Amino acid sequence: DIQMTQSPSSVSASVGDSVTITCQASQDIRTWLVWYQQKPGKAPKLLIYAASTLQSGVPSRFSGSGSGTDFTLTISSLQPDDFATYYCQQANTYPFTFGPGTTVDFK
Amino acid sequence: QVHLQESGPGLVKPSGTLSLTCAVSGGSISSTNWWSWVRQPPGKGLEWVGEVYHSGSTNYNPSVKGRVTISVDQSQNRFSLQLTSVTAADTAVYYCARDVAATDYRYFQYWGQGILVTVSS
Repeated sequence: DIQMTQSPSSVSASVGDSVTITCQASQDIRTWLVWYQQKPGKAPKLLIYAASTLQSGVPSRFSGSGSGTDFTLTISSLQPDDFATYYCQQANTYPFTFGPGTTVDFK
Repeated sequence: QVHLQESGPGLVKPSGTLSLTCAVSGGSISSTNWWSWVRQPPGKGLEWVGEVYHSGSTNYNPSVKGRVTISVDQSQNRFSLQLTSVTAADTAVYYCARDVAATDYRYFQYWGQGILVTVSS
């Protein structure tokens, strides 16, 4: 299986801050990388697919980049609605695997 | 807008069989998508369980292979998950999701609200 790691595991930030989350795959997954946002008690919400394509309806303050094994999710100008847990997922090879998550909470 | 809704027992006895159904509305299960199950143990991360295509083709996570069956019912526009010989480690919120697959990308676009299944005697 492809192992996905994320860092940091948690980050404390304030409204207006810029936050960057990194995701690393244990082998080359090209750009088959997806980012989700999850809030407590809710299903994950699709943010970005193909490493950098913003899902329709997702605010432009979210952006993704990377290819191969190293990827980043950046939230520019953090908003109150953005405090949540973020997961990366590789869709290159079965079984699909997720990173352990990064929680963004209030500083 | 596609809507997915999980249903099934919230409590299953150890060594028993977990059976869940995902009803799809706002779209046809016969469309060119895969349909997946993803689970999340309480307080932990996400694990893909497996998927089914409308033709009945399936792919499963080796972590549950041999115990899992995912099937589709086109007439009812729904798909199902069966997991046998369950243990406490199978306790999780189970989500169903529409899995969009294309030449250059793949992602879980729509998700159900999730259903907590607890394995306990």
